[in-house]
Amino acid sequence: AQTVTQSQPEMSVQEAETVTLSCTYDTSESDYYLFWYKQPPSRQMILVIRQEAYKQQNATENRFSVNFQKAAKSFSLKISDSQLGDAAMYFCAFKDSNYQLIWGAGTKLIIKP
Amino acid sequence: EAGVAQSPRYKIIEKRQSVAFWCNPISGHATLYWYQQILGQGPKLLIQFQNNGVVDDSQLPKDRFSAERLKGVDSTLKIQPAKLEDSAVYLCASSLVVDTDTQYFGPGTRLTVL
Repeated sequence: AQTVTQSQPEMSVQEAETVTLSCTYDTSESDYYLFWYKQPPSRQMILVIRQEAYKQQNATENRFSVNFQKAAKSFSLKISDSQLGDAAMYFCAFKDSNYQLIWGAGTKLIIKP
Repeated sequence: EAGVAQSPRYKIIEKRQSVAFWCNPISGHATLYWYQQILGQGPKLLIQFQNNGVVDDSQLPKDRFSAERLKGVDSTLKIQPAKLEDSAVYLCASSLVVDTDTQYFGPGTRLTVL
Protein backbone atom coordinates (compact mmCIF):
# COMPACT_ATOMS: atom_id res chain seq x y z
CA ALA A 1 0.00 0.00 0.00
CA GLN A 2 1.14 3.50 -0.75
CA THR A 3 1.89 5.64 2.28
CA VAL A 4 3.02 9.16 3.07
CA THR A 5 5.02 9.85 6.24
CA GLN A 6 5.61 13.19 7.87
CA SER A 7 7.93 12.48 10.76
CA GLN A 8 7.74 15.92 12.38
CA PRO A 9 4.43 16.47 14.20
CA GLU A 10 5.50 20.03 15.05
CA MET A 11 8.21 22.44 13.96
CA SER A 12 9.01 25.96 15.07
CA VAL A 13 11.08 28.65 13.41
CA GLN A 14 12.02 32.22 14.13
CA GLU A 15 10.42 34.79 11.88
CA ALA A 16 12.60 35.53 8.81
CA GLU A 17 14.51 32.27 9.22
CA THR A 18 14.36 29.19 6.98
CA VAL A 19 12.66 25.93 7.89
CA THR A 20 12.44 22.55 6.16
CA LEU A 21 9.52 20.16 6.57
CA SER A 22 10.14 16.50 5.80
CA CYS A 23 8.02 14.06 3.84
CA THR A 24 8.73 10.54 2.65
CA TYR A 25 6.48 8.27 0.66
CA ASP A 26 6.34 4.69 -0.44
CA THR A 27 5.26 3.62 -3.91
CA SER A 28 6.19 1.24 -6.67
CA GLU A 29 4.93 3.59 -9.36
CA SER A 30 7.27 5.67 -11.48
CA ASP A 31 4.88 8.39 -12.58
CA TYR A 32 3.00 10.35 -9.93
CA TYR A 33 2.44 13.78 -8.44
CA LEU A 34 3.40 15.22 -5.08
CA PHE A 35 1.83 18.15 -3.30
CA TRP A 36 2.27 20.31 -0.25
CA TYR A 37 -0.94 21.80 1.13
CA LYS A 38 -1.26 24.40 3.89
CA GLN A 39 -4.17 24.53 6.34
CA PRO A 40 -4.16 27.66 8.54
CA PRO A 41 -6.12 27.50 11.82
CA SER A 42 -9.86 27.47 11.07
CA ARG A 43 -9.19 28.25 7.44
CA GLN A 44 -9.34 26.22 4.31
CA MET A 45 -6.74 23.97 2.78
CA ILE A 46 -4.75 25.62 0.00
CA LEU A 47 -2.12 24.32 -2.37
CA VAL A 48 1.42 25.50 -1.66
CA ILE A 49 3.39 23.68 -4.33
CA ARG A 50 3.24 20.62 -6.59
CA GLN A 51 5.86 18.44 -8.23
CA GLU A 52 5.56 16.04 -11.14
CA ALA A 53 7.71 12.96 -10.58
CA TYR A 54 8.96 12.92 -14.17
CA LYS A 55 10.49 16.39 -13.73
CA GLN A 56 13.98 16.42 -12.28
CA GLN A 57 13.89 20.13 -11.56
CA ASN A 58 12.63 21.02 -8.11
CA ALA A 59 9.46 23.13 -8.04
CA THR A 60 9.62 26.65 -6.62
CA GLU A 61 6.88 29.12 -5.71
CA ASN A 62 8.26 32.39 -4.34
CA ARG A 63 9.55 31.62 -0.81
CA PHE A 64 8.54 27.96 -1.04
CA SER A 65 10.68 25.32 -2.70
CA VAL A 66 10.96 21.56 -2.60
CA ASN A 67 13.83 19.12 -2.50
CA PHE A 68 12.57 16.15 -4.49
CA GLN A 69 14.74 13.04 -4.23
CA LYS A 70 12.96 10.41 -6.32
CA ALA A 71 15.30 7.53 -5.57
CA ALA A 72 15.07 8.21 -1.85
CA LYS A 73 11.29 8.83 -2.12
CA SER A 74 11.70 12.08 -0.27
CA PHE A 75 9.84 15.36 -0.86
CA SER A 76 10.76 18.08 1.64
CA LEU A 77 9.42 21.63 1.70
CA LYS A 78 11.68 24.58 2.39
CA ILE A 79 10.17 27.86 3.51
CA SER A 80 12.55 30.81 3.28
CA ASP A 81 12.16 34.11 5.11
CA SER A 82 9.38 32.68 7.32
CA GLN A 83 6.48 35.00 7.99
CA LEU A 84 3.83 34.97 10.72
CA GLY A 85 1.24 34.11 8.08
CA ASP A 86 3.05 30.87 7.34
CA ALA A 87 1.85 29.41 10.65
CA ALA A 88 -0.37 26.46 9.76
CA MET A 89 -0.61 22.71 9.41
CA TYR A 90 1.32 21.53 6.39
CA PHE A 91 0.28 18.33 4.66
CA CYS A 92 2.28 16.35 2.16
CA ALA A 93 0.19 14.38 -0.35
CA PHE A 94 0.83 11.87 -3.12
CA LYS A 95 -1.41 11.31 -6.11
CA ASP A 96 -1.34 7.76 -7.40
CA SER A 97 -2.36 6.15 -10.68
CA ASN A 98 -5.93 5.93 -9.39
CA TYR A 99 -5.78 9.72 -9.00
CA GLN A 100 -6.49 9.53 -5.29
CA LEU A 101 -4.63 11.82 -2.93
CA ILE A 102 -2.87 9.95 -0.14
CA TRP A 103 -2.11 12.26 2.75
CA GLY A 104 0.46 12.47 5.49
CA ALA A 105 -0.56 13.22 9.07
CA GLY A 106 0.67 16.79 8.85
CA THR A 107 3.27 19.01 10.48
CA LYS A 108 2.25 21.95 12.64
CA LEU A 109 4.47 24.93 11.86
CA ILE A 110 4.87 27.58 14.55
CA ILE A 111 6.43 30.93 13.70
CA LYS A 112 8.11 32.73 16.59
CA PRO A 113 8.04 36.53 16.33
CA GLU B 1 -13.45 33.24 -9.51
CA ALA B 2 -15.63 31.93 -6.68
CA GLY B 3 -14.17 29.11 -4.62
CA VAL B 4 -15.70 25.93 -3.31
CA ALA B 5 -18.65 26.73 -1.06
CA GLN B 6 -19.81 24.59 1.84
CA SER B 7 -22.59 24.88 4.36
CA PRO B 8 -23.15 24.82 7.20
CA ARG B 9 -19.77 25.78 8.66
CA TYR B 10 -20.55 24.25 12.04
CA LYS B 11 -23.04 21.67 13.22
CA ILE B 12 -23.67 20.13 16.62
CA ILE B 13 -25.97 17.13 16.89
CA GLU B 14 -26.63 14.29 19.28
CA LYS B 15 -25.73 10.72 18.44
CA ARG B 16 -28.29 8.84 16.37
CA GLN B 17 -29.50 12.07 14.78
CA SER B 18 -29.17 12.80 11.07
CA VAL B 19 -27.19 15.56 9.40
CA ALA B 20 -26.57 16.77 5.86
CA PHE B 21 -23.79 18.85 4.37
CA TRP B 22 -23.88 20.77 1.13
CA CYS B 23 -21.11 21.59 -1.33
CA ASN B 24 -21.02 23.78 -4.43
CA PRO B 25 -17.80 23.25 -6.41
CA ILE B 26 -15.97 25.74 -8.58
CA SER B 27 -17.89 26.32 -11.79
CA GLY B 28 -16.85 23.92 -14.51
CA HIS B 29 -15.04 21.49 -12.23
CA ALA B 30 -16.00 17.98 -13.21
CA THR B 31 -14.57 16.16 -10.22
CA LEU B 32 -15.83 16.54 -6.67
CA TYR B 33 -14.45 14.96 -3.51
CA TRP B 34 -15.70 14.57 0.05
CA TYR B 35 -13.11 14.09 2.77
CA GLN B 36 -13.34 13.41 6.49
CA GLN B 37 -10.62 15.05 8.57
CA ILE B 38 -10.39 13.97 12.19
CA LEU B 39 -8.53 16.34 14.49
CA GLY B 40 -4.78 15.86 14.21
CA GLN B 41 -4.94 13.76 11.07
CA GLY B 42 -4.77 14.24 7.33
CA PRO B 43 -7.94 14.13 5.24
CA LYS B 44 -9.45 10.76 4.39
CA LEU B 45 -11.30 10.42 1.09
CA LEU B 46 -14.91 9.34 1.54
CA ILE B 47 -16.22 9.60 -2.02
CA GLN B 48 -15.19 10.95 -5.40
CA PHE B 49 -17.57 11.99 -8.18
CA GLN B 50 -16.80 12.51 -11.84
CA ASN B 51 -19.67 14.68 -13.07
CA ASN B 52 -22.64 12.94 -11.41
CA GLY B 53 -21.16 9.44 -11.35
CA VAL B 54 -19.31 7.85 -8.44
CA VAL B 55 -15.65 7.07 -9.18
CA ASP B 56 -14.61 5.82 -5.76
CA ASP B 57 -16.60 5.27 -2.58
CA SER B 58 -14.52 2.46 -1.13
CA GLN B 59 -13.96 4.25 2.19
CA LEU B 60 -17.51 5.51 2.63
CA PRO B 61 -19.32 3.77 5.53
CA LYS B 62 -22.34 2.98 3.44
CA ASP B 63 -24.45 1.76 6.34
CA ARG B 64 -24.71 5.32 7.61
CA PHE B 65 -23.19 7.68 5.03
CA SER B 66 -24.66 8.57 1.65
CA ALA B 67 -23.79 11.16 -0.96
CA GLU B 68 -25.17 12.39 -4.22
CA ARG B 69 -24.19 14.92 -6.81
CA LEU B 70 -27.14 16.62 -8.39
CA LYS B 71 -26.87 17.23 -12.13
CA GLY B 72 -23.10 17.01 -11.89
CA VAL B 73 -22.82 20.26 -9.91
CA ASP B 74 -23.83 20.56 -6.23
CA SER B 75 -23.38 17.67 -3.84
CA THR B 76 -24.79 16.62 -0.49
CA LEU B 77 -23.29 14.27 2.07
CA LYS B 78 -25.61 12.74 4.66
CA ILE B 79 -24.98 10.85 7.87
CA GLN B 80 -27.83 8.83 9.33
CA PRO B 81 -27.59 7.94 12.18
CA ALA B 82 -24.55 9.79 13.49
CA LYS B 83 -22.07 8.23 15.90
CA LEU B 84 -19.66 9.91 18.31
CA GLU B 85 -16.71 8.92 16.09
CA ASP B 86 -18.18 10.91 13.19
CA SER B 87 -17.06 14.11 14.91
CA ALA B 88 -14.69 15.65 12.37
CA VAL B 89 -14.33 18.33 9.73
CA TYR B 90 -15.94 17.37 6.43
CA LEU B 91 -14.10 18.87 3.51
CA CYS B 92 -15.36 19.24 -0.02
CA ALA B 93 -12.90 19.72 -2.87
CA SER B 94 -13.16 20.00 -6.62
CA SER B 95 -10.84 19.81 -9.58
CA LEU B 96 -11.16 20.60 -13.25
CA VAL B 97 -10.08 17.15 -14.34
CA VAL B 98 -9.38 14.09 -12.27
CA ASP B 99 -5.91 13.04 -13.23
CA THR B 100 -3.26 15.67 -12.92
CA ASP B 101 -5.19 18.62 -11.67
CA THR B 102 -4.93 20.37 -8.35
CA GLN B 103 -7.79 19.99 -5.89
CA TYR B 104 -9.35 23.16 -4.51
CA PHE B 105 -10.89 22.91 -1.06
CA GLY B 106 -13.87 24.51 0.60
CA PRO B 107 -13.77 25.85 4.19
CA GLY B 108 -15.20 22.62 5.60
CA THR B 109 -18.03 21.78 7.97
CA ARG B 110 -17.04 21.06 11.55
CA LEU B 111 -19.36 18.38 12.95
CA THR B 112 -19.60 17.68 16.67
CA VAL B 113 -21.60 14.63 17.74
CA LEU B 114 -22.56 14.62 21.43
